[in-house]
Amino acid sequence: GQNIDQPTEMTATEGAIVQINCTYQTSGFNGLFWYQQHAGEAPTFLSYNVLDGLEEKGRFSSFLSRSKGYSYLLLKELQMKDSASYLCAVDGPLVFGKGTRLSVIA
Amino acid sequence: KAGVTQTPRYLIKTRGQQVTLSCSPISGHRSVSWYQQTPGQGLQFLFEYFSETQRNKGNFPGRFSGRQFSNSRSEMNVSTLELGDSALYLCASSLGDSTADEQFFGPGTRLTVL
Repeated sequence: GQNIDQPTEMTATEGAIVQINCTYQTSGFNGLFWYQQHAGEAPTFLSYNVLDGLEEKGRFSSFLSRSKGYSYLLLKELQMKDSASYLCAVDGPLVFGKGTRLSVIA
Repeated sequence: KAGVTQTPRYLIKTRGQQVTLSCSPISGHRSVSWYQQTPGQGLQFLFEYFSETQRNKGNFPGRFSGRQFSNSRSEMNVSTLELGDSALYLCASSLGDSTADEQFFGPGTRLTVL
């Protein structure tokens, strides 16, 4: 089975950097996804990590360590529009964590 | 390219009734997955259909079922509705060739069971 843990809520200041952690216990997976979901909207794809290490995509980066069962999403230069829930998921089929609700404040 | 569409967007039913939800995937996508989203449990996988066959199934009772048509459109059915079935039901489509394929989500159907 798979168990995925994320913090429930986080608050950060506009312009700052925030790291959202995701730990998992799983019997096996191909890769790890991060999705963003604004309130009342559908989740949208942010990143997919297969190999250990950091994948950078603009202001967002995602990191995976298979040996430690750990991933994080790093958001830089936070903007108010980044206020959303961030969902970590392992594939094969997708199993999601409960999501981290990020609030960006001025 | 049109996105994933779901109908209806909102639905109110009473306990014991049954409901059918519809999902039209992005053109060219052969895989459709269904999820239930609630505040307490988050996003939970229901099942995945690929080329008209159920390829994967989550841990939901048999009251939840689905099917996929030859044009990749999919429906899910919930029979004998319970209060706990109130949720946002999301479908997502992907090419389906690999579990690594990005899934594109529809706007969801908000089901309320009274």
